[in-house]
Amino acid sequence: EDKVVQSPLSLVVHEGDTVTLNCSYEVTNFRSLLWYKQEKKAPTFLFMLTSSGIEKKSGRLSSILDKKELFSILNITATQTGDSAVYLCAVYSSNTGKLIFGQGTTLQVKP
Amino acid sequence: KAGVTQTPRYLIKTRGQQVTLSCSPISGHRSVSWYQQTPGQGLQFLFEYFSETQRNKGNFPGRFSGRQFSNSRSEMNVSTLELGDSALYLCASSYRGANTGELFFGEGSRLTVL
Repeated sequence: EDKVVQSPLSLVVHEGDTVTLNCSYEVTNFRSLLWYKQEKKAPTFLFMLTSSGIEKKSGRLSSILDKKELFSILNITATQTGDSAVYLCAVYSSNTGKLIFGQGTTLQVKP
Repeated sequence: KAGVTQTPRYLIKTRGQQVTLSCSPISGHRSVSWYQQTPGQGLQFLFEYFSETQRNKGNFPGRFSGRQFSNSRSEMNVSTLELGDSALYLCASSYRGANTGELFFGEGSRLTVL
């Protein structure tokens, strides 16, 4: 059965810290991996990764995919209180045509 | 450019009733997909519609159904509601389809079943 597992499930850091969120997957016919940020209701798109080893970067956020080891990481540097949210990882399987989400990592950034 | 609009935002139903939720995608987007989000199960895929055709379906019972209209607006229906159907129902739109990556989510419809 296809599955996506995120770790840790939650973490608390202080402003200025750097955090690394993990996402591992077992999905048949992997097509892409996506990261979303969910603050209150609507998840917002962060990155889509399809190729191994190519880092995607947006400001203080960056992500990379390892297709051999079947995982991705999301890094946030110099965290701010506005980074507090649930971060969702999802993998698209071209075999099933479904987007499979992990449980999410709840990040709390304290002042 | 207006975002994805879901209605109603909140609703309360009792067991056995049915409910219809609506989703208006971003103008020009032809794909609408639906997800159920619960604390225990996280986000789970319900189905995707593209140009009025159901493209894919998740592992939910037949009580969950949907459709898409010619203007790309979509509705999902849940019949014979159960307590376990209480959840946040999110829809997402994209131009070329959920498999192409970037999905734009609505703020969801929070359903409580008593």
